[in-house]
Amino acid sequence: ETGVTQTPRHLVMGMTNKKSLKCEQHLGHNAMYWYKQSAKKPLELMFVYSLEERVENNSVPSRFSPECPNSSHLFLHLHTLQPEDSALYLCASSQDIQGVTYEQYFGPGTRLTVT
Amino acid sequence: GQNIDQPTEMTATEGAIVQINCTYQTSGFNGLFWYQQHAGEAPTFLSYNVLDGLEEKGRFSSFLSRSKGYSYLLLKELQMKDSASYLCAVKDSNYQLIWGAGTKLIIKP
Repeated sequence: ETGVTQTPRHLVMGMTNKKSLKCEQHLGHNAMYWYKQSAKKPLELMFVYSLEERVENNSVPSRFSPECPNSSHLFLHLHTLQPEDSALYLCASSQDIQGVTYEQYFGPGTRLTVT
Repeated sequence: GQNIDQPTEMTATEGAIVQINCTYQTSGFNGLFWYQQHAGEAPTFLSYNVLDGLEEKGRFSSFLSRSKGYSYLLLKELQMKDSASYLCAVKDSNYQLIWGAGTKLIIKP
């Protein structure tokens, strides 16, 4: 595997379910990100991790819970979601957080539908 | 507040040239990025500008004017595979990327 991978690619869940999204980066990067992408809206940054420490939490509802067990893996645990949470969830990584030239590399995303 | 504006949708003809504009108002500036995103796929990095002027990469060029808070992405010799969304993003003073909503580019034969 190369780059950034995400599983599952598609997920349908009921509002009472609990599920997890998984992201893995094979680039040796130190920073990882979760984004939410809704149609015709800008990417919304949800969480940022640097060397497994959470450094940003942009007022995300507690029904989204991130976990970063090591610098290569990132999870997003989901529970009691709402229909408006249906979106594409993208994971990204970068060499570091503060380097100005460091671009972010994205995974293919998980298309989440909440019924 | 922080804001990135770009047109929602543009249409162009195969073989032609198209310019996608992006204007921004952010808390600080640490560079501007352009990404390409095909439908159902991951965004992929196209270009980075931090100094004023034009950066050229093959058929794609990106221009920045920091004093005007303005950038554009220029695509030449358009091909059908260039049909995608183009995302403009600015890295602010906290090194966070602030994103525009993207411009959907439709290429017609």
